Amino acid sequence: GAGVSQTPSNKVTEKGKYVELRCDPISGHTALYWYRQSLGQGPEFLIYFQGTGAADDSGLPNDRFFAVRPEGSVSTLKIQRTERGDSAVYLCASSPRAGGPGAHNEQFFGPGTRLTVL
Amino acid sequence: AQSVTQLDSHVSVSEGTPVLLRCNYSSSYSPSLFWYVQHPNKGLQLLLKYTSAATLVKGINGFEAEFKKSETSFHLTKPSAHMSDAAEYFCVAYTGGFKTIFGAGTRLFVKA
Repeated sequence: GAGVSQTPSNKVTEKGKYVELRCDPISGHTALYWYRQSLGQGPEFLIYFQGTGAADDSGLPNDRFFAVRPEGSVSTLKIQRTERGDSAVYLCASSPRAGGPGAHNEQFFGPGTRLTVL
Repeated sequence: AQSVTQLDSHVSVSEGTPVLLRCNYSSSYSPSLFWYVQHPNKGLQLLLKYTSAATLVKGINGFEAEFKKSETSFHLTKPSAHMSDAAEYFCVAYTGGFKTIFGAGTRLFVKA
């Protein structure tokens, strides 16, 4: 079956512009995660959705970053007034069950969107 | 604060020799621990996970990891490295909330 897909695969934008990154999770997966991976580092947690609601957005670096999942499936990560420091690979992952304390759920990762801010 | 530390940024082994990738965690809770692998231009893939059912966990491709609570460690091992094992490996923890914490990664090189 289809895995997690992310579009676009690459995005080049100019400083100050607005960008949207899309994630299509595996069908039926209720949990969805966004991460940011900078060069030479491990993925950094941004936000977790359970269904339509953001259960934990503590990883969003500032109010320029926002994510939605209006129908509990596709999610969009939105970045306003992009800065050069936002350049990274943005990863999305989904899981069939809720996360949380004691959870052991495998996350299925997409290939990522490489964002370059000039 | 919860954290995951991978003790080696790079590990180089010869094909057919054992692999050891080290991971230590810090958590106030009994953590859920995972190892993921990332091959170039491919998505992250789960190797194995610790669920408290057994301290020695077997994963795919001959990898295994042992959870040692007294040492707060979850080291990844494989008896015999293969060229196809060359990749980036991440130790990952859920530490009581929804937040997933990744280590910085260990790049494994396998020499012929």
